[in-house]
Amino acid sequence: DTAVSQTPKYLVTQMGNDKSIKCEQNLGHDTMYWYKQDSKKFLKIMFSYNNKELIINETVPNRFSPKSPDKAHLNLHINSLELGDSAVYFCASSQGAVDYGYTFGSGTRLTVV
Amino acid sequence: RKEVEQDPGPFNVPEGATVAFNCTYSNSASQSFFWYRQDCRKEPKLLMSVYSSGNEDGRFTAQLNRASQYISLLIRDSKLSDSATYLCVSDQTGANNLFFGTGTRLTVIP
Repeated sequence: DTAVSQTPKYLVTQMGNDKSIKCEQNLGHDTMYWYKQDSKKFLKIMFSYNNKELIINETVPNRFSPKSPDKAHLNLHINSLELGDSAVYFCASSQGAVDYGYTFGSGTRLTVV
Repeated sequence: RKEVEQDPGPFNVPEGATVAFNCTYSNSASQSFFWYRQDCRKEPKLLMSVYSSGNEDGRFTAQLNRASQYISLLIRDSKLSDSATYLCVSDQTGANNLFFGTGTRLTVIP
């Protein structure tokens, strides 16, 4: 009965391919996020969605596009994958303001070869 | 300058020891602070929020010093299961966004 679930857990793909990562939360939270954790373990915000509206869009390449069909889902689509995109991508959700922190998904380990 | 900075460690301590981590944050207007725990190849999990008056949860004590803009975590009577990376977190004022430190790695040795 996972609260925030991401698929796939592992993704190995070649440079230039397009891939998607899916995220779903069953907590009833109204804000969802995508974070990237690089090889140095630094977690950096990529996007957040609140009630289907993008409210933060950090300076990530436009090859990355978040898609939210409803408030329980926030998918991440990546075009023309590059070697530097290799990282762990975490989906998270929160209720309203961040006073109570986030709940994270288990992560998607993306390897671009 | 990163929004949240912490000593990466590693801290290697024997079972039963007391260990303390500190971190600093750059935005004086930040309001929400947390400690997260991340096990190897796992997602970060909320350990505890940090309140201005300081707060305790079992063997864990968190404190906030707004004047110096630092946050601390004290772990008493360390257990082997405490081995993990501890992430210091602060919010971004005016946005539903959290900034994470790079983490402090703790290994508790038998």
